[in-house]
Amino acid sequence: GAGVSQTPSNKVTEKGKYVELRCDPISGHTALYWYRQSLGQGPEFLIYFQGTGAADDSGLPNDRFFAVRPEGSVSTLKIQRTERGDSAVYLCASSPVGWGETQYFGPGTRLLVL
Amino acid sequence: GESVGLHLPTLSVQEGDNSIINCAYSNSASDYFIWYKQESGKGPQFIIDIRSNMDKRQGQRVTVLLNKTVKHLSLQIAATQPGDSAVYFCAEPRGGADGLTFGKGTHLIIQP
Repeated sequence: GAGVSQTPSNKVTEKGKYVELRCDPISGHTALYWYRQSLGQGPEFLIYFQGTGAADDSGLPNDRFFAVRPEGSVSTLKIQRTERGDSAVYLCASSPVGWGETQYFGPGTRLLVL
Repeated sequence: GESVGLHLPTLSVQEGDNSIINCAYSNSASDYFIWYKQESGKGPQFIIDIRSNMDKRQGQRVTVLLNKTVKHLSLQIAATQPGDSAVYFCAEPRGGADGLTFGKGTHLIIQP
């Protein structure tokens, strides 16, 4: 069975540009999470979806970051007016229902903002 | 505040020896803890978890110990192999919310 997939695997962009990062969760998983991992650090929570709705977006650093999951499956993380400080690995994870269940991570998208 | 941290950033062990990776946590209300393994260029991979009503749980070559008195978690890897080289993170639920809080990780290096 397929795990969590993320595209692109690498993204290089220029400061001020807009980027979209895609996550395909494990089929049937209703809970989806986005994390950001800086070099040498553990992943940091960004946002959690339960189905189509963003149940908790308290980890988004500012209003340049936005995420959607319109059909309750694929999710897109959108970053406007990128800054060099946004450079990091963006990880997506999914779990069958949510609380207390194992989160399965994708390989991440490595974003570099020049 | 709530935090999950690790005592050592790097641990070097001989192949075949046992490895012990430690983790201190501060949220005494957490009801479960998870260990993840992250190889270079990959996402975190689930290893094992433990509920707060347990003090020990064993998996294949791995054992997690939980000491709630001192808020300490450890991961023991038996007969360490080259494929165990990775960064290991402990994680706990974000206080009162979904999602996980991760520590900074311990880099396990296997020497031949």
